[in-house]
Amino acid sequence: RKEVEQDPGPFNVPEGATVAFNCTYSNSASQSFFWYRQDCRKEPKLLMSVYSSGNEDGRFTAQLNRASQYISLLIRDSKLSDSATYLCVVRGDSSYKLIFGSGTRLLVRP
Amino acid sequence: DTGVSQNPRHKITKRGQNVTFRCDPISEHNRLYWYRQTLGQGPEFLTYFQNEAQLEKSRLLSDRFSAERPKGSFSTLEIQRTEQGDSAMYLCASRETGQAVEEQYFGPGTRLTVT
Repeated sequence: RKEVEQDPGPFNVPEGATVAFNCTYSNSASQSFFWYRQDCRKEPKLLMSVYSSGNEDGRFTAQLNRASQYISLLIRDSKLSDSATYLCVVRGDSSYKLIFGSGTRLLVRP
Repeated sequence: DTGVSQNPRHKITKRGQNVTFRCDPISEHNRLYWYRQTLGQGPEFLTYFQNEAQLEKSRLLSDRFSAERPKGSFSTLEIQRTEQGDSAMYLCASRETGQAVEEQYFGPGTRLTVT
């Protein structure tokens, strides 16, 4: 079983739609949580950190449920430019190495 | 450009050959990480350095792989006797311990194709 599991998608949605991605992680000792965005053939870039209290950045809302070991990302009012792969990421220990899910691909159509 | 840089960006090699990749991290970053990403998967951790010390190596890093960071600045990743299964994107990332935002900054990667 992978440490971080995501639905690979693709999610194909029209512009303006709301879309939600989910992720589960297996190591209850994981300490920090993130969503990274990766465009085709590019490097991953941090989209946002995820906190138990939930956090919002414009159209993006992330939530963490430690009891269920579950992380979510909600994108409202999808734009064409949101088309990318969204990687769920956890940090497990003091090395700060990152453990990535396989990614969820989002396609936003006109 | 003060971001993480990697060279070469692309490398095509024949099976059995040795290859070496270079990563130049952001200058004040003391931690440097190597990851490998294959098609349809997320990046997987290979190894990391704090300054010049290599502190952890993944089980993915077979004996054919070696990484160095001799002066605590740039790092090299060498693969000896390449195999087709080594074909992947090799990503380097860096961060500064104690930075307020817990983010790793990734380079553009080196895409390796073993024929």
